Amino acid sequence: GAVVSQHPSWVICKSGTSVKIECRSLDFQATTMFWYRQFPKQSLMLMATSNEGSKATYEQGVEKDKFLINHASLTLSTLTVTSAHPEDSSFYICSASAGSQPQHFGDGTRLSIL
Amino acid sequence: SQQGEEDPQALSIQEGENATMNCSYKTSINNLQWYRQNSGRGLVHLILIRSNEREKHSGRLRVTLDTSKKSSSLLITASRAADTASYFCAPNSNSGYALNFGKGTSLLVTP
Repeated sequence: GAVVSQHPSWVICKSGTSVKIECRSLDFQATTMFWYRQFPKQSLMLMATSNEGSKATYEQGVEKDKFLINHASLTLSTLTVTSAHPEDSSFYICSASAGSQPQHFGDGTRLSIL
Repeated sequence: SQQGEEDPQALSIQEGENATMNCSYKTSINNLQWYRQNSGRGLVHLILIRSNEREKHSGRLRVTLDTSKKSSSLLITASRAADTASYFCAPNSNSGYALNFGKGTSLLVTP
């Protein structure tokens, strides 16, 4: 089945650091990738939608200068949390889809900012 | 896409029992998908049921869809401890667009 790989799975860093998270579709070409954020015991909140080669569409309330998304190819999207602060600590999950196919999710990245 | 609402929010059963969780949504859909999330992991796609289908099976999973009532149910038969997870439904009106998720049903299966 379709596999989405997310890396790293866990990152701990100091406040002010920028952190890059990668999302790769390993065995299919993803026309669209999505980034979600999840707080403990909460549901997934959509942050942004990215299509290959174009700018990401951000949900209301998500700062595009804070969460930089790049979707350079049909198999790779990256989310960079710039100048991260403790309030950015969360579980970030990406998903990828090809056309009308179901979304397939990565295993998530747990980000802890000290 | 719209957000589904799962019910109950929490369900605790013993191994071997069946688990039923429900999903309601508000507007017409093309399909409805169910996902599972183990603690600290991403979501795993379980099953997709199209709007013109009423029932679908996959292993121990049985999904029904009633478009007139705008509801779906997920039945897990002969549950196992490994089924312990959160389950989310995702009503999908537009293919290729982001799925939105409710709070899910947290299922605990005890040995």
